[in-house]
Amino acid sequence: DGGITQSPKYLFRKEGQNVTLSCEQNLNHDAMYWYRQDPGQGLRLIYYSQIVNDFQKGDIAEGYSVSREKKESFPLTVTSAQKNPTAFYLCASSIWTGGGSGADTQYFGPGTRLTVL
Amino acid sequence: DAKTTQPNSMESNEEEPVHLPCNHSTISGTDYIHWYRQLPSQGPEYVIHGLTSNVNNRMASLAIAEDRKSSTLILHRATLRDAAVYYCILRDPLEANFGNEKLTFGTGTRLTIIP
Repeated sequence: DGGITQSPKYLFRKEGQNVTLSCEQNLNHDAMYWYRQDPGQGLRLIYYSQIVNDFQKGDIAEGYSVSREKKESFPLTVTSAQKNPTAFYLCASSIWTGGGSGADTQYFGPGTRLTVL
Repeated sequence: DAKTTQPNSMESNEEEPVHLPCNHSTISGTDYIHWYRQLPSQGPEYVIHGLTSNVNNRMASLAIAEDRKSSTLILHRATLRDAAVYYCILRDPLEANFGNEKLTFGTGTRLTIIP
């Protein structure tokens, strides 16, 4: 089955520690995204990547870093500079049509719930 | 970005149709209307999208007003598994052309299904 996997499902870290969230997809999608969701809120974009070795900041990139060394993988590091890292983190992927059609749909993983103690 | 307005919550009885409204009075001529839903503690799931004409798929139907300032997601026969937060989102291909591929999620409509 094709899809997106995120691991772990739950993650606990001490304040001040960096932590890396995994995201893998086998849909052969070029574009990948990281979103953050706080309780009762919608999703906010952290970073996205359209091709390997390239990525762009989203609306709330401060305190986060990403890499895109392989098409299938887009890990997110939550650094100690992120002031309020406790949240639900969602990874997504989509076909990248280059020019953008407005009709592209995004496929989401199951999410990682990060709690910083 | 053009904005959407949805009711915070709705309830429906099981096995009855559900009509979820979305207002987007500032929609541009090129904006696509997308609907996603998010089940509790899961990632969002694509439901349907359209531009001008009504659309049907195995999950739902999308009815788009003639002036495109509003749309309605229709679940023809709600089940308990349809209980979720439903998001109505506009996507502008012109913005996407400049690399702005984000989906802008509001707070959506929380749909409760009554057995």
